[in-house]
Formats: sequence, structure tokens, C-alpha cells
Amino acid sequence: KQEVTQIPAALSVPEGENLVLNCSFTDSAIYNLQWFRQDPGKGLTSLLLIQSSQREQTSGRLNASLDKSSGRSTLYIAASQPGDSATYLCAGDPRGAGNKLTFGGGTRVLVKP
Amino acid sequence: DGGITQSPKYLFRKEGQNVTLSCEQNLNHDAMYWYRQDPGQGLRLIYYSQIVNDFQKGDIAEGYSVSREKKESFPLTVTSAQKNPTAFYLCASSPRTGSYNEQFFGPGTRLTVL
Repeated sequence: KQEVTQIPAALSVPEGENLVLNCSFTDSAIYNLQWFRQDPGKGLTSLLLIQSSQREQTSGRLNASLDKSSGRSTLYIAASQPGDSATYLCAGDPRGAGNKLTFGGGTRVLVKP
Repeated sequence: DGGITQSPKYLFRKEGQNVTLSCEQNLNHDAMYWYRQDPGQGLRLIYYSQIVNDFQKGDIAEGYSVSREKKESFPLTVTSAQKNPTAFYLCASSPRTGSYNEQFFGPGTRLTVL
């Protein structure tokens, strides 16, 4: 069964520093990977989707990479801002059918002014 | 204004009662999903539906039931058989499931058992 792990569980950085968030999965047969942001008490906002034929995706200050051979994905956030404070979740689709995303536990990020 | 709506935002239930959480989408998406989130944890899939009048169990379906009578609606009932129902419930939808499509989430319903 696919398991997704996010380390660290929490991260605190000063404003302006680059953020590196890690996501690892046990089954390298993962097909697609999606990164989400969650603010306290809110739903999830989709940030980036890396499809099976891709190795990375970029949106503004965000860049996500996917290395299936090592079972890892990394989310980079450049020049962090206090507004980036949130929990970031990664989720993998092990069968390519989009039916059953397996989520990691999330990394709670605090960017201090 | 397109999106996914969930109601109510907060719900309180006495032990032994069934409650129904609403999820509506106007995105014309075929697939809909229900997840449960416990404090400090990721999401776990309860049920999902790929098409009207069809749905499948996810990883933690026991104590829950769903229906999909309309494309835009996917209500979740938390029954008295669910032993630990206090959690944050999230509904999501995606365009189709033949190939992977991005999932979009509603704002969630926080259920508390008194």
C-alpha cells in the first residue's frame, strides 16, 4: 500500500529565506503528484500538479520536482513571505486513475517577519 | 462564480444521531470525493463517485454512507455506527477519472460529537 511521508512536520524560517519541503513515497509506481496548501480551518488549495510524463512544474515563486526513481518530490518556495505561512500537503496518485489520492501528513510552515 | 460549497461549516452531533453533510459543485465535474482529516494528519478517503448513481468505498468507509443522485451533489451521512466521527470533512471534485485530473476542494465541515 502506498504511503506518503512529509518531513519535517513543522518548519520555521525568517522572511526572505527559501523553503524546501520534502515528500517521499514508498511505491515508486506513483503516477502523478499534487501539492496543496491549507490555511488553518480551511479547505485545500491546489498549488502544482506534476503529471506522470513530467519531472517538474513551476508557478511564480513555487517549483515542484518529482523523481520517481528515488520516490521523492520536493517543493521549493523562493524568497518566502509571511503570507506563505500554512500547511503544505503532498498527495500521490498510485494508479494513474485519479481516484484515490494518498496524502502525506503535511509540513506546517511559519515564515517570521 | 464556480466552485465547491460545503454546508454547514460547523456541525454538532449528539452520540447516536445520524447527520448529513452537504457538498455541491457547479464546475460540471464528473468525479466527487469525500475525505476526513484528523488534527495534524493528512487526508483519508471515505468515498468517491465517478459518475451519477455510482460510488465506491475509500479507505475508511465504515460508518459512513453517500448518494450521488445528481452530478452536482454528493452528500455524506455520518451514521451512529461511526465510532469516532469528530473530524474535519472535506469534499473534492475533479473533471473526470479516465486519466488523472487535478482535484479541487471545498472549504470543509467541522463535525463535533457532544
